[in-house]
Amino acid sequence: DIQMTQSPSSLSAFVGDRVTITCRASQSISRYLNWYQQKPGKAPKLLIYAASSLQNGVPSRFRGSGSGTDFTLTISSLQPEDFATYYCQQSDIRPITFGQGTRLEIK
Amino acid sequence: EAQLVESGGDLVQPGGSLRLSCVASGFTFSNHWMSWVRQAPGKGLEWVANINQAGGETYYVDSVKGRFTISRDNAKTTLYLQMNSLRAEDTAMYFCTRGWVFTLDRGSRLSNDLWGQGTLVSVSS
Repeated sequence: DIQMTQSPSSLSAFVGDRVTITCRASQSISRYLNWYQQKPGKAPKLLIYAASSLQNGVPSRFRGSGSGTDFTLTISSLQPEDFATYYCQQSDIRPITFGQGTRLEIK
Repeated sequence: EAQLVESGGDLVQPGGSLRLSCVASGFTFSNHWMSWVRQAPGKGLEWVANINQAGGETYYVDSVKGRFTISRDNAKTTLYLQMNSLRAEDTAMYFCTRGWVFTLDRGSRLSNDLWGQGTLVSVSS
């Protein structure tokens, strides 16, 4: 199975900060990488698919990049509603696997 | 508005069975791959199974193979997960999700662009 490793596991930031979350795959997955946001008690929400394509309705402050084994999710200017847990997911090779999550908290 | 609504979660004893349902509305259900994803309490997300549009292709994570069966009824716009021989480690919120297909160099793959609110399965004696 492909292991997806996110870093950091948690981070604290201020509103207005630029933050970057990293996701590394245990083998190359081309750009078959998706990012989700999950708020407490809610279902996940798709933010980015195919490593860098913004899902409809997602603010442009979210940006995905990378290919092969290394990927990043960048939020250019944190808004209060962005504090949540973020997951990467590879869908290149079954079983589909998720990273362990990155919890983004308000500083 | 596109929507997925799960039901069927319950408290069940180890070795027991449950059938989860997910009713879809607001989109053409038969056009989409569908999946189940679960989340144990306080833990991360785990893909469980998916099924193609016609129901002829199904895939499972190893830990549920032979115990869980994913199926669909396109006429009823409903996705199912039959869960047998349940174990404590199957305790989780189970989410129904819609597949969003995208195509790159190696062909078409899935993301999950619509999620239900989840249904809770607890396995305990």
